[in-house]
Amino acid sequence: QVQLQESGPRLVRPSQTLSLTCSVSGDSITNGDNYWSWIRQHPERGLEWIGFVHYSGITYYNPSLKSRVVISVDTSKNQFSLRLNSVTAADTAVYYCERDPTMATAGGRFDYWGQGIPVTVSS
Amino acid sequence: DIQMTQSPSSLSASVGDRVTITCQASQDISNYLNWYQQKPGGAPKLLIYDASSLVRGVPSRFSGSGSGTTFIFTIINLQPEDFATYYCQQQDKIPITFGQGTKLELK
Repeated sequence: QVQLQESGPRLVRPSQTLSLTCSVSGDSITNGDNYWSWIRQHPERGLEWIGFVHYSGITYYNPSLKSRVVISVDTSKNQFSLRLNSVTAADTAVYYCERDPTMATAGGRFDYWGQGIPVTVSS
Repeated sequence: DIQMTQSPSSLSASVGDRVTITCQASQDISNYLNWYQQKPGGAPKLLIYDASSLVRGVPSRFSGSGSGTTFIFTIINLQPEDFATYYCQQQDKIPITFGQGTKLELK
């Protein structure tokens, strides 16, 4: 059974960098069929796709966040990570990591999700 | 960005009812449309992909249809565990976008 688990700080100061890690079990991060993705959920603004990464290094980001985000993989640990810099209160959300098994058809279907981690941006 | 508009935003129904949710895309997305269920405190769960394909293990009372810009999600014979929020999501173009959600409540 595929499982994903987010980890990282739940409180980030404004202007600092939000860093989260997603640990994957039950599948290999080097499975070429998959993208590995981050999505966040704001209480008022709903679900927002942040971006995804393929183990080969291919990345796609939401243009609204592209200047501030990096998603990367660590094949040795079977993990992938999110870094979002220059955060503001608007980045306060629940952050989810997902598996997307549709790399062959350009991606965008999320079949396994982590439980989510709430992150607050506040001083 | 492709805008996804769901209607209604909320819906009251009873166990055993049939309900439908509509999702409208701002441009043609072929059949690149997925439906998710989210319960309070939980992550979204994929129910239907490619507009009408049921994920393995999801009960057959859930179904989806449509193509182009208009999509329908239907639940027949509502069960107590179906009361949740449902989202549509397009995967035709980046950025991937979601509808605002439809909250299905017990009448």
